[in-house]
Amino acid sequence: DVKVTQSSRYLVKRTGEKVFLECVQDMDHENMFWYRQDPGLGLRLIYFSYDVKMKEKGDIPEGYSVSREKKERFSLILESASTNQTSMYLCASSLSGEREKLFFGSGTQLSVL
Amino acid sequence: AQKITQTQPGMFVQEKEAVTLDCTYDTSDPSYGLFWYKQPSSGEMIFLIYQGSYDQQNATEGRYSLNFQKARKSANLVISASQLGDSAMYFCAMREKGSGGSYIPTFGRGTSLIVHP
Repeated sequence: DVKVTQSSRYLVKRTGEKVFLECVQDMDHENMFWYRQDPGLGLRLIYFSYDVKMKEKGDIPEGYSVSREKKERFSLILESASTNQTSMYLCASSLSGEREKLFFGSGTQLSVL
Repeated sequence: AQKITQTQPGMFVQEKEAVTLDCTYDTSDPSYGLFWYKQPSSGEMIFLIYQGSYDQQNATEGRYSLNFQKARKSANLVISASQLGDSAMYFCAMREKGSGGSYIPTFGRGTSLIVHP
């Protein structure tokens, strides 16, 4: 079974801190994605990566950056956390193509105080 | 404009009855994929069903079927014989080609389904 692992289930940080959210997948997927999920807003794409060191902005990239140095690992970085970044963050991976389903991690609930 | 529209924030259904969750989409790409995912209260995202834009027949997976009406850009999820365990958030998603050539998944806002005994 494909496994997508997010390093933390719950995270509490202070405003202004630099925050790293880590995601690792074990199925050699080319594509990896970071979404944030907020009640009533569904899942919104922050960034995605289609290959090592390649990244593209999603719908809401402001305040975030990403890193993909190895194929299996995709990191989301909050350079200076703010309270409006309190949210559930979901990582996903997949093969390339319109038919390919996403495999999700269990999510990280981030609270910025 | 939203690419995926789910107009029902919440739905209620009696156990053993069928329920339809609505999804409309917007794309100019002739090749795309449509997906439904389930998210129970535990938070995990579970893939349910897939429909390709060129597929001639509606997709079915057990109690789940997808009512695909391409001309109307509609991809409704039908759950037959609802069970208490079907209570969850349901997300419709579309994967279409982005400007960089990758197929990017976009999600709707979700529908919360509650199954009553």
